[in-house]
Amino acid sequence: TQLLEQSPQFLSIQEGENLTVYCNSSSVFSSLQWYRQEPGEGPVLLVTVVTGGEVKKLKRLTFQFGDARKDSSLHITAAQPGDTGLYLCAGAHAGGTSYGKLTFGQGTILTVHP
Amino acid sequence: EPEVTQTPSHQVTQMGQEVILRCVPISNHLYFYWYRQILGQKVEFLVSFYNNEISEKSEIFDDQFSVERPDGSNFTLKIRSTKLEDSAMYFCASSVSANVLTFGAGSRLTVL
Repeated sequence: TQLLEQSPQFLSIQEGENLTVYCNSSSVFSSLQWYRQEPGEGPVLLVTVVTGGEVKKLKRLTFQFGDARKDSSLHITAAQPGDTGLYLCAGAHAGGTSYGKLTFGQGTILTVHP
Repeated sequence: EPEVTQTPSHQVTQMGQEVILRCVPISNHLYFYWYRQILGQKVEFLVSFYNNEISEKSEIFDDQFSVERPDGSNFTLKIRSTKLEDSAMYFCASSVSANVLTFGAGSRLTVL
């Protein structure tokens, strides 16, 4: 069973601060995805990282995939109240016929105070 | 923007009853999935479906569960005899290629 440990579980910061969320595993994933989930809705894909060491930027959000494809991080610069929400990482299983079988982390609830 | 549509948004049922959750995936997508999220727990994979057959299923997806694509647009999850522990949010997802999923808003199932 592949596990993905996400930390921290809760993050409460002031507007303008920077933050980083981590996802770690002992397993290798073929890709790692980050989602944002609003209450009462499904996860919405933010980004997919595929190559070890890959870095992707989405405005103030920076996503990194570890060299060994076992871990990933999400860094938010100058957080704003609109960034408040639940962030999920999910790893896609490597090889075989595991189509769309994602292993999710437990999520990080981010609160950005004005 | 194309979206995955799920119905009902909330269903309350008695233990032992059959439940069918419905999904309309994005029209040009080829892969279909069901995930579930028990309150306070992680999102968990249930099953993937491609080319009119199950590609993979988790240990959660036992004989009480089945999936069907009865026509060109719908994708359903049936739970034959619901148990209390089936209470969860069920998410349908679809993708044009494996591993880049678009999720629906979910169907909340409450088993009493």
